Amino acid sequence: EPEVTQTPSHQVTQMGQEVILRCVPISNHLYFYWYRQILGQKVEFLVSFYNNEISEKSEIFDDQFSVERPDGSNFTLKIRSTKLEDSAMYFCASSERWTEAFFGQGTRLTVV
Amino acid sequence: AQRVTQPEKLLSVFKGAPVELKCNYSYSGSPELFWYVQYSRQRLQLLLRHISRESIKGFTADLNKGETSFHLKKPFAQEEDSAMYYCALSGPTGNQFYFGTGTSLTVIP
Repeated sequence: EPEVTQTPSHQVTQMGQEVILRCVPISNHLYFYWYRQILGQKVEFLVSFYNNEISEKSEIFDDQFSVERPDGSNFTLKIRSTKLEDSAMYFCASSERWTEAFFGQGTRLTVV
Repeated sequence: AQRVTQPEKLLSVFKGAPVELKCNYSYSGSPELFWYVQYSRQRLQLLLRHISRESIKGFTADLNKGETSFHLKKPFAQEEDSAMYYCALSGPTGNQFYFGTGTSLTVIP
């Protein structure tokens, strides 16, 4: 069964450094999402992406964040200058239509 | 504003007992509601969506617009049901989900 894959599974970075989280969505899906989950808190929406552009973003998704689909398969989330409070589990998801999202295993980002 | 509330952070039931995980929502339009499940060390998976009205792994959920609830129920809990359960609501433009804080269900053998 096809699934969304995310790399790396765990990323440790120093505060102020840039990180890129990578996702390979399911191949025939058209909608892509990033969510995050701070330890002990709920899953929060960051951004959705369709037709090569951001379709919606939350207030969390400020200028430090960007997304890209550099080729036909990858979907990346970049955090330009990481802060301690960016430490969280980041989930990528994709869907064929908006009513059902398939999630990746997540990347645990630790900012030290 | 769209909001999903799951009042119970933790829920423990004995195997074979009925289980109900509560979810209430606030939404100004016609909601699309979902239950996602996350088993230990696994990814979030869609369990149910209200529009399909189906039963998955013995779980059902009915949308009650009067009470603005979408509680998840199962008549006889199994050990393998132990997991984190998230209620979610799709946003007004349909391209984001609002998640509740989750309920951790433990089924005691």
